[in-house]
Amino acid sequence: KNEVEQSPQNLTAQEGEFITINCSYSVGISALHWLQQHPGGGIVSLFMLSSGKKKHGRLIATINIQEKHSSLHITASHPRDSAVYICAVLGPGGGADGLTFGKGTHLIIQP
Amino acid sequence: GAGVSQSPSNKVTEKGKDVELRCDPISGHTALYWYRQSLGQGLEFLIYFQGNSAPDKSGLPSDRFSAERTGGSVSTLTIQRTQQEDSAVYLCASGKAGAVSIQYFGAGTRLSVL
Repeated sequence: KNEVEQSPQNLTAQEGEFITINCSYSVGISALHWLQQHPGGGIVSLFMLSSGKKKHGRLIATINIQEKHSSLHITASHPRDSAVYICAVLGPGGGADGLTFGKGTHLIIQP
Repeated sequence: GAGVSQSPSNKVTEKGKDVELRCDPISGHTALYWYRQSLGQGLEFLIYFQGNSAPDKSGLPSDRFSAERTGGSVSTLTIQRTQQEDSAVYLCASGKAGAVSIQYFGAGTRLSVL
């Protein structure tokens, strides 16, 4: 079973700061997902990666398959970015493995 | 609808009762997943359907849990003889053909077992 570790668990920053959230996993994967969950809200998929780097607006996600590590970056952070960010990996067996989730990073951006 | 729809949004039941949770995936999505989010355990995978193929049930937490998917679309998760530890938010997600695709999550069903 894949072990997914996220750091930090909690992060408080000021508006405008550059944010980095890290994720590491223990076993080879088919893909890695970054998800966002607002308090009391649903889960939204931000990125799905199997290699390299993806960018969407102020969000950037990178993955290093050899090092079994991924990072999520937020540039010019804003209070509306406050949410729980969850890393999840899809095992080598694909859908039959389902996603294995990290415990999440609780991000608060203060104005 | 445009997104994944789950019903009911909230369910309160007594210990020992059976419950059924429903998921309507995005039209045309062949992959469907059930997950559970509980305070003590975080998010965990329950079961995956790809089209009409028989699912791998090994992720289900006990034999009280079962799931089916009719016509490759709507799915039902059934919990028999509910226990208090079954209290959680049950989430459904769907994706396009193939497991390696973006998953779109429903809002979940919050189950409370008294």
